[in-house]
Amino acid sequence: DSGVTQTPKHLITATGQRVTLRCSPRSGDLSVYWYQQSLDQGLQFLIQYYNGEERAKGNILERFSAQQFPDLHSELNLSSLELGDSALYFCASSAAGGQGNEQFFGPGTRLTVL
Amino acid sequence: AQSVTQLGSHVSVSEGALVLLRCNYSSSVPPYLFWYVQYPNQGLQLLLKYTSAATLVKGINGFEAEFKKSETSFHLTKPSAHMSDAAEYFCAVRHNAGNMLTFGGGTRLMVKP
Repeated sequence: DSGVTQTPKHLITATGQRVTLRCSPRSGDLSVYWYQQSLDQGLQFLIQYYNGEERAKGNILERFSAQQFPDLHSELNLSSLELGDSALYFCASSAAGGQGNEQFFGPGTRLTVL
Repeated sequence: AQSVTQLGSHVSVSEGALVLLRCNYSSSVPPYLFWYVQYPNQGLQLLLKYTSAATLVKGINGFEAEFKKSETSFHLTKPSAHMSDAAEYFCAVRHNAGNMLTFGGGTRLMVKP
């Protein structure tokens, strides 16, 4: 158990809908990262937050957004969903935003868009 | 930009045989490199990391990896495979500009009895 929790574990929804994925980092970790794992794109970094502020952006679509709250949990919002958004979404956390800090991964949320 | 390439999307070994999973990286500066393992329906677990201290890095579950700058490689090895090692393995490099990771395509390890 990494100490990172993600809810829900599974999510099934329809095209055009909007969903929210939630992540609670390990106790004391200030940085949260979101990754997407799909069959065609592999594991890709989406976005990072550090202590409530956006720190870095990767291959995140404009339909996707995230935020980190004062209690350090984070939410990833996916809107106008398409079939291709079906994937496993991982959250990871690290002690700080600095270099070399190990990232601890949650179990993921499997999103299925029908 | 940093990148990693994992040679072989599937590797099959017999129980007790040597495990060798290949990873080559591309980086303009000394990289931080990681190997993660993903068991079915689970998240990623860190096996080991290279952060420019020792070139031979020992990790959990008997795995180790050697950083070879001349070959731009960071291959993962284990002397004797166990059935429980069957999983997907990912090599990753940390970006210079932050702590986010770029992952290779992954290698699925199958262990035959």
